[in-house]
Amino acid sequence: DGGITQSPKYLFRKEGQNVTLSCEQNLNHDAMYWYRQDPGQGLRLIYYSQIVNDFQKGDIAEGYSVSREKKESFPLTVTSAQKNPTAFYLCASSSTYSGLGYEQYFGPGTRLTVT
Amino acid sequence: GEDVEQSLFLSVREGDSSVINCTYTDSSSTYLYWYKQEPGAGLQLLTYIFSNMDMKQDQRLTVLLNKKDKHLSLRIADTQTGDSAIYFCADSIGGATNKLIFGTGTLLAVQP
Repeated sequence: DGGITQSPKYLFRKEGQNVTLSCEQNLNHDAMYWYRQDPGQGLRLIYYSQIVNDFQKGDIAEGYSVSREKKESFPLTVTSAQKNPTAFYLCASSSTYSGLGYEQYFGPGTRLTVT
Repeated sequence: GEDVEQSLFLSVREGDSSVINCTYTDSSSTYLYWYKQEPGAGLQLLTYIFSNMDMKQDQRLTVLLNKKDKHLSLRIADTQTGDSAIYFCADSIGGATNKLIFGTGTLLAVQP
């Protein structure tokens, strides 16, 4: 089955610790994205990557870092510099060929709680 | 910057039609999307419409696009309790990236 997996589903961390969220896709998509979702605020783009070894900041990149060493994988690290890290994090991927549209396919999400 | 707006809440009775509305500001939209999110889950692509279309029908779903007014709507016929979810409108902002701009989402509550 093709799809996007995120792990773990729930993650708990103490304040001041860095934490890495996993995202893997087997859809052969070039582009991958990380979003943060807070209640009543919709989705906000953290980072995105159009191709391996390249990525760009989204609207709320401060306190986050990413890497894209493999096409299938786009891990997100939430650093201790992120002031309000508790949120629901969603990973997505899409094709970069315009003939296929730009629809993004989402993973099931990781709920991060920092206390 | 580009923006997408939706009303926050809609309540309907089971069996009625639901209409969820969305407005956007981007003049160069190519595709517009509707996603559904059930509690605690990721987003599921429901349907999309290309910007040169006025309407698209897919089983119980009808998408209407008024490009002049930059208004998009999603009609769900014969709404069921299983349709209760948050519905997001998204606009592809075009250019060299595949970025989507998402609305804040509309919570659809279906009363039995």
